[in-house]
Amino acid sequence: QQPVQSPQAVILREGEDAVINCSSSKALYSVHWYRQKHGEAPVFLMILLKGGEQKGHEKISASFNEKKQQSSLYLTASQLSYSGTYFCGTENFDGGSQGNLIFGKGTKLSVKP
Amino acid sequence: NAGVMQNPRHLVRRRGQEARLRCSPMKGHSHVYWYRQLPEEGLKFMVYLQKENIIDESGMPKERFSAEFPKEGPSILRIQQVVRGDSAAYFCASSQLAGTYNEQFFGPGTRLTVL
Repeated sequence: QQPVQSPQAVILREGEDAVINCSSSKALYSVHWYRQKHGEAPVFLMILLKGGEQKGHEKISASFNEKKQQSSLYLTASQLSYSGTYFCGTENFDGGSQGNLIFGKGTKLSVKP
Repeated sequence: NAGVMQNPRHLVRRRGQEARLRCSPMKGHSHVYWYRQLPEEGLKFMVYLQKENIIDESGMPKERFSAEFPKEGPSILRIQQVVRGDSAAYFCASSQLAGTYNEQFFGPGTRLTVL
């Protein structure tokens, strides 16, 4: 039931792009993306809903493919501040109450100067 | 606007003791979620509460763990008779409204170490 994130880790140079994927074996109602820096709280990035609605930051984009049950987070022109671990949290149709998110293991992103 | 507050930030307990973790949601938020995070792992949902009600505790271990969110005061996650395997970071999050389309704001976490 836990979504699978790929890649597990990625190293970028400043200015390069990255894509982080999140796949579920179950039908998804929504996908939430968070970034966590070491020793800190996760910070909200974006929510994507079944049906195409999105809510999040302007500089971060993401897609949600309902048929494939997956979401991708696009990080373009990466900056040093993008470094951290990115988590997707999924809400399945049979995942219990609304708001009950099941998180993947995370993708560790390191941006080097 | 103060964010989600958690205390203590670090808690050390010996096996068999009790651990009490507190979470004060953001002002105006009445929905609280507790998550546990092991090193190099994702966040694992434990329980979802509204004021005076447990909405979903499907992620809570059946024994030793309990949570409450009283009418007044912070939400409390209580772990009785702690064991080494309880060592983890415990995060709470709050949201203003119920449902999927409302982002959860996370607190800084409580890092529990069981000796």
